[in-house]
Amino acid sequence: EDKVVQSPLSLVVHEGDTVTLNCSYEVTNFRSLLWYKQEKKAPTFLFMLTSSGIEKKSGRLSSILDKKELFSILNITATQTGDSAVYLCAVLGRDDKIIFGKGTRLHILP
Amino acid sequence: DGGITQSPKYLFRKEGQNVTLSCEQNLNHDAMYWYRQDPGQGLRLIYYSQIVNDFQKGDIAEGYSVSREKKESFPLTVTSAQKNPTAFYLCASSIGVLLQETQYFGPGTRLLVL
Repeated sequence: EDKVVQSPLSLVVHEGDTVTLNCSYEVTNFRSLLWYKQEKKAPTFLFMLTSSGIEKKSGRLSSILDKKELFSILNITATQTGDSAVYLCAVLGRDDKIIFGKGTRLHILP
Repeated sequence: DGGITQSPKYLFRKEGQNVTLSCEQNLNHDAMYWYRQDPGQGLRLIYYSQIVNDFQKGDIAEGYSVSREKKESFPLTVTSAQKNPTAFYLCASSIGVLLQETQYFGPGTRLLVL
């Protein structure tokens, strides 16, 4: 059965800290991995990763994929209170279906 | 502005009642999706449609029905057969099947059972 597992499930850090969120997967016919940020309502798209070893960056956020070990990490440096959210990892697999992990709830303390 | 709209924002269902959630997009996307999100859970796919007049079951389609008569619209009906409908429902769309990687989400509808 296809699955996406995120860790940790929740994380509390102080403003300015750096955090690393993990996403491992077992998905048939992997096509791409996606990261989303969900604050109050609908998720917003962060990154799409298709190839191993190529880091994607957007400001203080970065992500990388390892297709051999079947995982991805999302890094956030110099965290701010506005980074508090649930971060969702999703994998696009066979039959064009997308499988989501349960998310990591990140809380940044001022 | 282009985007996805969902209505209503909150919906209350009585026992044995069917209710329909609306999803409209003006992004000219071919593919549309319905997800359900429960507390502490990830998003789970209910139904998806790759093109008008065609749709496929997702992982938890039982108790739900959809239609895709127009490209812009993908309504979801929660039938009385769905025994635990209380959840947050998200609609999404993407350009097409091959470019499905980027999905754009609507604001969601929260369904509560009375």
